[in-house]
Amino acid sequence: GDSVTQTEGPVTVSESESLIINCTYSATSIAYPNLFWYVRYPGEGLQLLLKVITAGQKGSSRGFEATYNKETTSFHLQKASVQESDSAVYYCALGSNNNAGAKLTFGGGTRLTVRP
Amino acid sequence: EAAVTQSPRNKVAVTGGKVTLSCNQTNNHNNMYWYRQDTGHGLRLIHYSYGAGSTEKGDIPDGYKASRPSQENFSLILELATPSQTSVYFCASGVGLTQNTLYFGAGTRLSVL
Repeated sequence: GDSVTQTEGPVTVSESESLIINCTYSATSIAYPNLFWYVRYPGEGLQLLLKVITAGQKGSSRGFEATYNKETTSFHLQKASVQESDSAVYYCALGSNNNAGAKLTFGGGTRLTVRP
Repeated sequence: EAAVTQSPRNKVAVTGGKVTLSCNQTNNHNNMYWYRQDTGHGLRLIHYSYGAGSTEKGDIPDGYKASRPSQENFSLILELATPSQTSVYFCASGVGLTQNTLYFGAGTRLSVL
């Protein structure tokens, strides 16, 4: 089946340091998967951070970037300089676009703590 | 702004008891979903719905039922709760087949003792 594997947390970095959270996927039932990063801040539900639906393209939001690499089946999340407010749980997800419905397959989540 | 509201936010239940988790969305989205989140696992899909009156099994439906009586409401029902169903449950709504972007509620923490 389809699956997503991401960096196991927790991850702790200091403010202004760079960040990378790895995400690789296996899309056995989806010909052209869509890829997503969701974020969950304390006490809130998940919200979309960024998405990319075309291989080779890069998505960006709030200083975060991720490039859809079909050759390496990866969608790593990067930020050049993190802030304390980036502390949250980050989820990589794989989406299908077929008649089975708009379902998402999620990775296990990576808890990020940014030290001031 | 789009909103998905779950109730209750926290619930303690006894083994063998019936539990109903409720979800209401004001987005007018056709699709709604129930996921559970456990440590070491990603969110796993339990049930979903394409619209009022429809429910579909997700990847882990055993032990759960779902009900979609209206566009706005989607419930998850545990007829005979077990400790293995202790988890955090998330409801979400979505626009349709080609969008995939989901809007989530804040979650319900369920403990089955």
